[in-house]
Amino acid sequence: DGGITQSPKYLFRKEGQNVTLSCEQNLNHDAMYWYRQDPGQGLRLIYYSQIVNDFQKGDIAEGYSVSREKKESFPLTVTSAQKNPTAFYLCATQPGADTQYFGPGTRLTVL
Amino acid sequence: GDSVTQMEGPVTLSEEAFLTINCTYTATGYPSLFWYVQYPGEGLQLLLKATKADDKGSNKGFEATYRKETTSFHLEKGSVQVSDSAVYFCALSDRGGSYIPTFGRGTSLIVHP
Repeated sequence: DGGITQSPKYLFRKEGQNVTLSCEQNLNHDAMYWYRQDPGQGLRLIYYSQIVNDFQKGDIAEGYSVSREKKESFPLTVTSAQKNPTAFYLCATQPGADTQYFGPGTRLTVL
Repeated sequence: GDSVTQMEGPVTLSEEAFLTINCTYTATGYPSLFWYVQYPGEGLQLLLKATKADDKGSNKGFEATYRKETTSFHLEKGSVQVSDSAVYFCALSDRGGSYIPTFGRGTSLIVHP
């Protein structure tokens, strides 16, 4: 069954802690994206990767890091440098210039 | 750069009312246009799309027509249901550019019984 999985669904972070959000896909899509969504807001692009071992900063990359060692996986680390990380995080894949496919999201809360 | 503007919400309707959510865009290339829907607590999913001028995308009773002359892609449905309550995002993907999509800010739809 093809799709995108994100884990965990809910994540809690203490001050000064780094946390990693997982995104895995078996759609065989080259491009993967990370977005941040705040209540009542649209999507803001954090990082994207169009090919393995390469990734680019989006509009709000500060305080975040990513890796793309495998086609199937694009984990996002929220570092302690991100001062306001509480948000809903969405991972997406895209085959070429077409539809994006989204995971179910991870809701991160700072304690 | 590319941009998408959609009407602000929330849009509040009674069941069986007619729905229009306006979306206009600016793009330097030849974009594909999309409407995505997001139900509470979930990711976005494609509702419909159109890839060239005058194409009409349709799905689940929703329709939108790619109007190049007015740079618009308005979403319509003739009779909404309570289950249509969600946030709707208009987006474009420029096939002549980087392929990175541009999203509107989303429009919340609330349908009352």
